[in-house]
Amino acid sequence: QVRLVESGGAVVPPGRSLRLTCAASGLTFSAYGMHWVRQAPGKGLDWVAFISSNGDDKYYSDSLKGRFTISRDNAKKTLHLQMNSLTTEDTAVYYCVQGPIHGKWLDSWGLGTLVTVFS
Amino acid sequence: SYVLTQPPSVSVAPGQTARIPCGGNNIRRKNVHWYQQMPGQPPALVVYDDGDQPSGIRERFSGSKSGNTATLIITTVGAGDEADYYCQVWDGINEHCVFGPGTKVTVL
Repeated sequence: QVRLVESGGAVVPPGRSLRLTCAASGLTFSAYGMHWVRQAPGKGLDWVAFISSNGDDKYYSDSLKGRFTISRDNAKKTLHLQMNSLTTEDTAVYYCVQGPIHGKWLDSWGLGTLVTVFS
Repeated sequence: SYVLTQPPSVSVAPGQTARIPCGGNNIRRKNVHWYQQMPGQPPALVVYDDGDQPSGIRERFSGSKSGNTATLIITTVGAGDEADYYCQVWDGINEHCVFGPGTKVTVL
């Protein structure tokens, strides 16, 4: 059974940086593309970024304006999201999500980690 | 960038069929995927590639497309189906994942 566990969420002031980590188990991690999706309190789903199975391809939401970086370590079965210059609008639960080998849906979701940026 | 539209809410009587629309330009040319999110839980995939069900998902969930609208269909609705439902496509031009704004389903 696929298990994705996010960590690294915290309460931080604007302008700070945070690094989120997702630990994967129950799957051949290196075979799957991975996403980060966020959800602000009481709001809808907001796709953040995608990284291909081997890390060669990375795509980002236009709204991030280059502040976030997605990366992965297939040997350690971990996914990361480096978030810089955080603003209050980045306050959200951040989900780590597995994509299928072929296809463009989002398969298995972690429980999420909460990032709160307060002013 | 590609935009998906959904009504904020849909109400349905118990035992009836819920139909949740998702609009998008030329959506018939895209594969549409659907997620259910129960309160306090992460989303869960209920339909992929327009109408296929993941393993473990009951056949009460299905999908269809017509014109510029995709529809999630939930038959024999019960109180356990009250949740937020999101449609999603992949924008291959911009290489972005796009979600609809979500529809809250209420069982009367």
